Amino acid sequence: GAGVSQSPSNKVTEKGKDVELRCDPISGHTALYWYRQSLGQGLEFLIYFQGNSAPDKSGLPSDRFSAERTGGSVSTLTIQRTQQEDSAVYLCASSLGGRKGLTEAFFGQGTRLTVV
Amino acid sequence: GQNIDQPTEMTATEGAIVQINCTYQTSGFNGLFWYQQHAGEAPTFLSYNVLDGLEEKGRFSSFLSRSKGYSYLLLKELQMKDSASYLCAVIGYSGGGADGLTFGKGTHLIIQP
Repeated sequence: GAGVSQSPSNKVTEKGKDVELRCDPISGHTALYWYRQSLGQGLEFLIYFQGNSAPDKSGLPSDRFSAERTGGSVSTLTIQRTQQEDSAVYLCASSLGGRKGLTEAFFGQGTRLTVV
Repeated sequence: GQNIDQPTEMTATEGAIVQINCTYQTSGFNGLFWYQQHAGEAPTFLSYNVLDGLEEKGRFSSFLSRSKGYSYLLLKELQMKDSASYLCAVIGYSGGGADGLTFGKGTHLIIQP
């Protein structure tokens, strides 16, 4: 596709259940980011993948959160045992990256997660 | 680590000029970005600065001073559609490679008729 694609666009889940959020980056983009945005708040960095390097996981809020990127393309963000405070819009972005990551990031439309 | 500060909210009048400031403290520096985000939508790229000085793109300009850890976004001839949040973001550098893109909390700009 032409842009970053995220699925599902909306997800309602019960507290305690696990969820998986998917991101398809722009083809050829080596850098991939996950952010979380609560209502009216800024973008909270979660995790960053750059090529084959070890991901920067410094933004993951707890060990219930994990992410992987298979084959340097599609990424999945998994939240285990969801809590109500996990409710937010989860945004994925990708960029051409490269060693210094100097190019702009393009965002998907996000997954709105609601934990009830 | 990285710390990025920008005002929470600003108000301006249609047709006027507004300047949104951003200060940052990072471990290394590899560029500063400005993004626009309308309510309920994903952020979209506006500008990129890596060298000191002013970058102009139509009604929008962005300025960077690396020595001061300071940037601003200048919006001219404001239109009602410019009402949005404006996000300052920085890429640091920690020796092993570029850090991820870190965002400030954003400045909510309200345009009044």
